[in-house]
Amino acid sequence: SQTIHQWPATLVQPVGSPLSLECTVEGTSNPNLYWYRQAAGRGLQLLFYSVGIGQISSEVPQNLSASRPQDRQFILSSKKLLLSDSGFYLCAWSGLGQGASEQYFGPGTRLTVT
Amino acid sequence: AQSVTQLDSQVPVFEEAPVELRCNYSSSVSVYLFWYVQYPNQGLQLLLKYLSGSTLVKGINGFEAEFNKSQTSFHLRKPSVHISDTAEYFCAVSSGGSNYKLTFGKGTLLTVNP
Repeated sequence: SQTIHQWPATLVQPVGSPLSLECTVEGTSNPNLYWYRQAAGRGLQLLFYSVGIGQISSEVPQNLSASRPQDRQFILSSKKLLLSDSGFYLCAWSGLGQGASEQYFGPGTRLTVT
Repeated sequence: AQSVTQLDSQVPVFEEAPVELRCNYSSSVSVYLFWYVQYPNQGLQLLLKYLSGSTLVKGINGFEAEFNKSQTSFHLRKPSVHISDTAEYFCAVSSGGSNYKLTFGKGTLLTVNP
């Protein structure tokens, strides 16, 4: 069966510091991968998605970047964090074909920028 | 472009009462529809999905939803709720395509009181 991992679970970082959040998927090959941010009362905002190694699409211009160095690894980064980067970050994966719409989510990372 | 409206941000109910969480969508093409549940500080879990076929779909935990194309709705129902159903519920829509991105509503917080 497929599983998705995210780490760290929680993170407190000062403004201006760098960020690296990691997501890995097990039990599937060539998944679509997604990064979302969830701010209180604002639902889920799609940040990036990837359909393959090195292929990244950005949905919203911002202070963050994403990379996919391996088939089942997706990394969210920032060089300098802003207060507005605080939130709950969720990674998700989906398969191919009709089932590609069905996304499976990781446990999330709670980021607090101070 | 597609969008999702969840008409109620909060729904309080008593235990063993029925509940309906409303979701309306807009899309210019055929859609796939989903309901996800999120417990505090956790990722999203898929409750049920409509891809094609029968308009009444059943999911986990006794939930069901009905796809109504003429009213562009996909309301979630449960005939008798439990305390453990307290969570945030998200409706999502996808129109397929090459990347199968999901568009989420802003969520409905269901609170089940004893």
